[in-house]
Amino acid sequence: EAGVVQSPRYKIIEKKQPVAFWCNPISGHNTLYWYLQNLGQGPELLIRYENEEAVDDSQLPKDRFSAERLKGVDSTLKIQPAELGDSAVYLCASSLASGTDTQYFGPGTRLTVL
Amino acid sequence: GESVGLHLPTLSVQEGDNSIINCAYSNSASDYFIWYKQESGKGPQFIIDIRSNMDKRQGQRVTVLLNKTVKHLSLQIAATQPGDSAVYFCAENQGAQKLVFGQGTRLTINP
Repeated sequence: EAGVVQSPRYKIIEKKQPVAFWCNPISGHNTLYWYLQNLGQGPELLIRYENEEAVDDSQLPKDRFSAERLKGVDSTLKIQPAELGDSAVYLCASSLASGTDTQYFGPGTRLTVL
Repeated sequence: GESVGLHLPTLSVQEGDNSIINCAYSNSASDYFIWYKQESGKGPQFIIDIRSNMDKRQGQRVTVLLNKTVKHLSLQIAATQPGDSAVYFCAENQGAQKLVFGQGTRLTINP
């Protein structure tokens, strides 16, 4: 069974440009997460979806970040405009449901903002 | 705010020795803890978990110990192999699937 798929794996953009990341969770997983991971740090939750509903977006900087999961499967995370401080790895994870179901992570997208 | 932390940022062990990675947590209400392994260029990989009603749980070559009295979590890796080289994160479930990760410990294996 395929794991969590993310694309692109790497992205280099100039500041003030928009960027989008795509995630395809494990088949059948209803819960999807986007995390931000800075160098040398643990992942930090940005947003959590239960099917197509964003149930926790308290850590998402809404002035420049947006996310969607229209059909309750794939998800897109967007930054517009990107800032230098947004350089990080953006991880997507999925789990069967909420509670203590194991979260499985994708390989991440490494974003570099110049 | 409450957070999960680690005692040491790096750990170097000889191949074949046992490794012990420690983690301190501060949220006494957390009821579920997970250890993840992250290799360079990859996402975190689930290793083992433990619920707060347990003190110890064993997997293949790994054991997690939970001491709720002192809010301490440890990961023991038996007979450490070169493939165990990675950054190890403990994570704490603070409710509603909100995982809070520690900073991580980099494990290096010496031949």
